[in-house]
Amino acid sequence: EVQVVESGGGLVKSGESLRLSCAASGLTFTYAWMSWVRQAPGKGLEWIGRIKSKTDGGTAEYAASVKDRFTISRDDSKNTFFLQMNNLETGDTGVYYCATRSGLQFAHSFDIWGQGTVVTVSS
Amino acid sequence: QSALTQPRSVSGSPGQSVTISCTGTTSDVGGYDHVSWYQHHPGTAPKLIIFDVTRRPSGDPDRFSGSKSGNTASLTISGLQAEDEGDYYCCSYAGSQRIYVFGTGTKVTVL
Repeated sequence: EVQVVESGGGLVKSGESLRLSCAASGLTFTYAWMSWVRQAPGKGLEWIGRIKSKTDGGTAEYAASVKDRFTISRDDSKNTFFLQMNNLETGDTGVYYCATRSGLQFAHSFDIWGQGTVVTVSS
Repeated sequence: QSALTQPRSVSGSPGQSVTISCTGTTSDVGGYDHVSWYQHHPGTAPKLIIFDVTRRPSGDPDRFSGSKSGNTASLTISGLQAEDEGDYYCCSYAGSQRIYVFGTGTKVTVL
């Protein structure tokens, strides 16, 4: 069974940094692409970025709202993805999900989601 | 890149059908057949119900169907059931920017 589990959320102050982790199991990690999606309180889902597998170049793309502040990386030896969030703002508060695909047929969709980790940024 | 536009809410009685629209632009919905739909109950993981506009994950109920015309995609829930209540989001690949865009979300209420 493919599973992803997020961790690392917490309470930080505006301007501080936080690193989230997403541990994956049950999939061939080296081929996995991983996206991060967040939901602010009372708001909808927002895609914030994705990293490709190293075999596909290992590059990452970001939404404009987080570009230059957030960085997605991966450690294939630990089957783990990371979301480094710098210069956090109160608007970054929300639940952060990692999401991926269990097979190539889901190339541009996300059929595997974690339960999310909560990030709270106070002023 | 702006969020795709969805109605804030739709409702229907058990057994009826409801349709949720998802309007974007030629840069996302209209330009690619990579629209997916998710059912989300707050506090839980979102669930993929439609991908690539019309395809359903294997084993999922055929009460959910998707379509697209121009820059607008649609999700239809037929034979509405109480467990269909929740929030629904569309999502489209925006290939020229290599990003994804979610819709604003629609709350489905079963009367």
